[in-house]
Amino acid sequence: NAGVTQTPKFQVLKTGQSMTLQCAQDMNHEYMSWYRQDPGMGLRLIHYSVGAGITDQGEVPNGYNVSRSTTEDFPLRLLSAAPSQTSVYFCASSSGQGLGYTFGSGTRLTVV
Amino acid sequence: AQSVTQPDIHITVSEGASLELRCNYSYGATPYLFWYVQSPGQGLQLLLKYFSGDTLVQGIKGFEAEFKRSQSSFNLRKPSVHWSDAAEYFCAVGAQGFQKLVFGTGTRLLVSP
Repeated sequence: NAGVTQTPKFQVLKTGQSMTLQCAQDMNHEYMSWYRQDPGMGLRLIHYSVGAGITDQGEVPNGYNVSRSTTEDFPLRLLSAAPSQTSVYFCASSSGQGLGYTFGSGTRLTVV
Repeated sequence: AQSVTQPDIHITVSEGASLELRCNYSYGATPYLFWYVQSPGQGLQLLLKYFSGDTLVQGIKGFEAEFKRSQSSFNLRKPSVHWSDAAEYFCAVGAQGFQKLVFGTGTRLLVSP
């Protein structure tokens, strides 16, 4: 059972480039979320989904796009990377029954 | 809006001593509350959770937490800290029917010999 798988683990982008961070879970969880983690700021919610075809914005959605075409996958797209998007990104999933979210191991993104 | 406050950025505890990490939340309804631990370079692991019932909850690795509604607190405790407990600890509240979590800024635990 792989849990939540994020790829890539590390990425360096130039300002203005676009890319997609991949997230897949094999637990048939309905709820999935993307967070970014920055020093001294904890984890902040970017976007979340309550099921296939349903997404919503979190606390810091600007510059990011998501879609949820299947239960398993929840990719995060950076439309035009900026240095302010340098961060560690975590994907998480949950069955939504008070059991807590399961987190992936993260993607460390640097924008130069 | 929901919010979580972890007032201690860093805490240093001697190995074998007891530990208490503070967490205060703001939420209008009965909250879902969680503690997660993050080791360096790793993802977050769930330590324990509360959403109803007994206000003292037991988690993994010998941790426990007590929900106090009157104080809007959910403090994490461990009676005897081990060097392997050195990590960053995050408190979180489940908002909007548990569809998303709001995290505190974390407390970094250092364990001295």
